[in-house]
Amino acid sequence: DTEVTQTPKHLVMGMTNKKSLKCEQHMGHRAMYWYKQKAKKPPELMFVYSYEKLSINESVPSRFSPECPNSSLLNLHLHALQPEDSALYLCASSQVFLTGANEQFFGPGTRLTVL
Amino acid sequence: TQLLEQSPQFLSIQEGENLTVYCNSSSVFSSLQWYRQEPGEGPVLLVTVVTGGEVKKLKRLTFQFGDARKDSSLHITAAQPGDTGLYLCAGGNAGGTSYGKLTFGQGTILTVHP
Repeated sequence: DTEVTQTPKHLVMGMTNKKSLKCEQHMGHRAMYWYKQKAKKPPELMFVYSYEKLSINESVPSRFSPECPNSSLLNLHLHALQPEDSALYLCASSQVFLTGANEQFFGPGTRLTVL
Repeated sequence: TQLLEQSPQFLSIQEGENLTVYCNSSSVFSSLQWYRQEPGEGPVLLVTVVTGGEVKKLKRLTFQFGDARKDSSLHITAAQPGDTGLYLCAGGNAGGTSYGKLTFGQGTILTVHP
């Protein structure tokens, strides 16, 4: 199974709402990532988990809160977002970076709209 | 900070034409990945190159990693409308503060007209 799944596919939320994005992989990967992508731009790294521990936070605002409950699951909790946070949110996974051949496998993304 | 300059940014061609996309950097990468992304979907990994001078072929797509591992190219022969999408190159790093990160190029939006 070489698939990363993400739910929901689409999400519309108000600035006062709390919602969560979910990601799951069954490839045995021990590194998982959250990216934010604006239209026609490359993905921007937000967070990296390695062995279920947060290893990289790219200075992301605290209204985004990641969680890695186990080696297969990754969540992104959202609270008090701004309209400029509207974007495609991508989850990815990879083997832990042993040789630098950092092949990341992406999910289909969650299209988030903040009203 | 490592940078990958990808060119061209936009490419609009007719079916059957050939094209080449370039990614260049002043930094050495331990690996180089190429992804293709369709609108509203996540990037799909096409290939990974890790050895300087390496050439890989995937049907009509040919990928090359520069000898010094600072640049890469993607060549598509006889493009088809199904090749339309955003192509992304991404450099991988083996250590230091960039450990585990990918450095993305700015992307090439390819449109192949029937």
